[in-house]
Amino acid sequence: DAMVIQNPRYQVTQFGKPVTLSCSQTLNHNVMYWYQQKSSQAPKLLFHYYDKDFNNEADTPDNFQSRRPNTSFCFLDIRSPGLGDTAMYLCATSRVLAGGVTDTQYFGPGTRLTVL
Amino acid sequence: DQQVKQNSPSLSVQEGRISILNCDYTNSMFDYFLWYKKYPAEGPTFLISISSIKDKNEDGRFTVFLNKSAKHLSLHIVPSQPGDSAVYFCAASGSSGYALNFGKGTSLLVTP
Repeated sequence: DAMVIQNPRYQVTQFGKPVTLSCSQTLNHNVMYWYQQKSSQAPKLLFHYYDKDFNNEADTPDNFQSRRPNTSFCFLDIRSPGLGDTAMYLCATSRVLAGGVTDTQYFGPGTRLTVL
Repeated sequence: DQQVKQNSPSLSVQEGRISILNCDYTNSMFDYFLWYKKYPAEGPTFLISISSIKDKNEDGRFTVFLNKSAKHLSLHIVPSQPGDSAVYFCAASGSSGYALNFGKGTSLLVTP
């Protein structure tokens, strides 16, 4: 019973060709996150949604956008992928506890994106 | 600017022995720390956490120790089992918990 699902698991795209990665969750969590992990690097938070409120990290390039049409789904759009965007993209979810703090983040299996 | 550092990229331990994975951090505003375990082709899985008001948290074979003055935490696995072979990520956040700062990971190999 998968809880955080990412599609596709592997994606190859051409330099400059827009690509969309998908994440869905069955946990009914308020918060959904997108992380980028390059080879041998730490996962790096790109942005997160708290319900419909979008929170962008200061150093996330404008090339990366996100949409959350409902509680269950969140999309990562890369408008014009560059070679440096080749990475694993991880989606995570968490619920918000009393007092506004968030609980443990649960991760999906990731989408490995290759930009040629 | 890496705020969470795992200085050992890999560690090899014999089955039954103790595995000790280390993590250092630089941001004194961090007050919640987590360890995640990752198998190949899977996402990170939460393992254990500790808040800054504690110095130790234990869950079965896994214990996390926090030394705030040294800005250091460690994960102890006793006894180590071959199924523990994975990449272990240390992560830290501020009080709200939203932005997790990860280390680069330590690859643990437990040999029979």
